[in-house]
Amino acid sequence: GNSVTQMEGPVTLSEEAFLTINCTYTATGYPSLFWYVQYPGEGLQLLLKATKADDKGSNKGFEATYRKETTSFHLEKGSVQVSDSAVYFCALMDSSYKLIFGSGTRLLVRP
Amino acid sequence: DTEVTQTPKHLVMGMTNKKSLKCEQHMGHRAMYWYKQKAKKPPELMFVYSYEKLSINESVPSRFSPECPNSSLLNLHLHALQPEDSALYLCASSQTPANEYTDTQYFGPGTRLTVL
Repeated sequence: GNSVTQMEGPVTLSEEAFLTINCTYTATGYPSLFWYVQYPGEGLQLLLKATKADDKGSNKGFEATYRKETTSFHLEKGSVQVSDSAVYFCALMDSSYKLIFGSGTRLLVRP
Repeated sequence: DTEVTQTPKHLVMGMTNKKSLKCEQHMGHRAMYWYKQKAKKPPELMFVYSYEKLSINESVPSRFSPECPNSSLLNLHLHALQPEDSALYLCASSQTPANEYTDTQYFGPGTRLTVL
């Protein structure tokens, strides 16, 4: 079946460091791909999305490119801030119109 | 505006109580969803409503009863819950009933439920 795999966390970085959170997927067809962020005690917020191969989603300094050849959608940010500390979920929407989430990656940014 | 609101923010209930969770959106979205999220886990889909009709029930126990009174409102009625039902309950909505699977789901802040 369709699935999403994320790197295990927590990821601990110093402020202004470069961030990469790996996400790979298994799916038939051409799913849409999403990154959601969940701050402590809150719901999920859409961070960015991409709907077809080679699309780049971007928002608030975060970027991810839909790579069909490697079935990946890695999240990157050039310079993280303490306020970016949160749990990040990679997700795909398959042809059954369900969101399938990865397990989540906790990011901790230290001052 | 992509706001989905949920009330209450926190709820504590006993196993014999009946309570309801409420979700509201005013974006004109025609699909609404309930998810359950346990600590340190991703959300799990419970129910999907499309055009105010239940379209997906992910084999959820009958002690959870969803209701969609109109296109803006989604309720989740709770009765005879178990302590293992304690979780964050998230509501989401999307513009169409996902007949295009590029559609985006927008989430509310959730209701944190504790069952004693």
